[in-house]
Amino acid sequence: DGGITQSPKYLFRKEGQNVTLSCEQNLNHDAMYWYRQDPGQGLRLIYYSQIVNDFQKGDIAEGYSVSREKKESFPLTVTSAQKNPTAFYLCASSAGQGRSTDTQYFGPGTRLTVL
Amino acid sequence: QKEVEQNSGPLSVPEGAIASLNCTYSDRGSQSFFWYRQYSGKSPELIMSIYSNGDKEDGRFTAQLNKASQYVSLLIRDSQPSDSATYLCAVRRSGGSNYKLTFGKGTLLTVNP
Repeated sequence: DGGITQSPKYLFRKEGQNVTLSCEQNLNHDAMYWYRQDPGQGLRLIYYSQIVNDFQKGDIAEGYSVSREKKESFPLTVTSAQKNPTAFYLCASSAGQGRSTDTQYFGPGTRLTVL
Repeated sequence: QKEVEQNSGPLSVPEGAIASLNCTYSDRGSQSFFWYRQYSGKSPELIMSIYSNGDKEDGRFTAQLNKASQYVSLLIRDSQPSDSATYLCAVRRSGGSNYKLTFGKGTLLTVNP
């Protein structure tokens, strides 16, 4: 059963703590992405990776870090430097490879709440 | 200037009517356009993609693109209560190494039985 999984579904964090959100895909996609969604807002790109061991900052990378050690995995760490981390975090993947028809598909999301 | 603009709604239509969702974009270099549907509390799911001027139909959904007017729309025929969701328009500048999608804030559609 192919798809994108994210865990956990809900995450609660105390202020000052780092937390890591998991994203795994078995679609054999080259590219992976992390977005943040706040209520009533569109999706904002945090980081993206086009290939293993390479990633680029998106529009709102401050306070976040990522790694891409395996093709199927792209974990996101929300650090204590992120001032307002409470949000819905969405991971996506796409075949990549520079095609204009490249389409992003989303995982189910992780809802992070800072207590 | 916002890059991708959508009417936030809510757009309310009766069951069986045609729902028309609109999106404008500012970057004339945009080449790829996507509509996603997002139910409350869930993640976005792809409805349609369109790359060329004109209409593209898929079942009850029709996407329309006019690059000269920098306008893309989604029509939903025979609207059903299950179509009630937020619809996100997403735009990508070009292929090649540019992977970035820019999203609008979405239009909330309510279909009334």
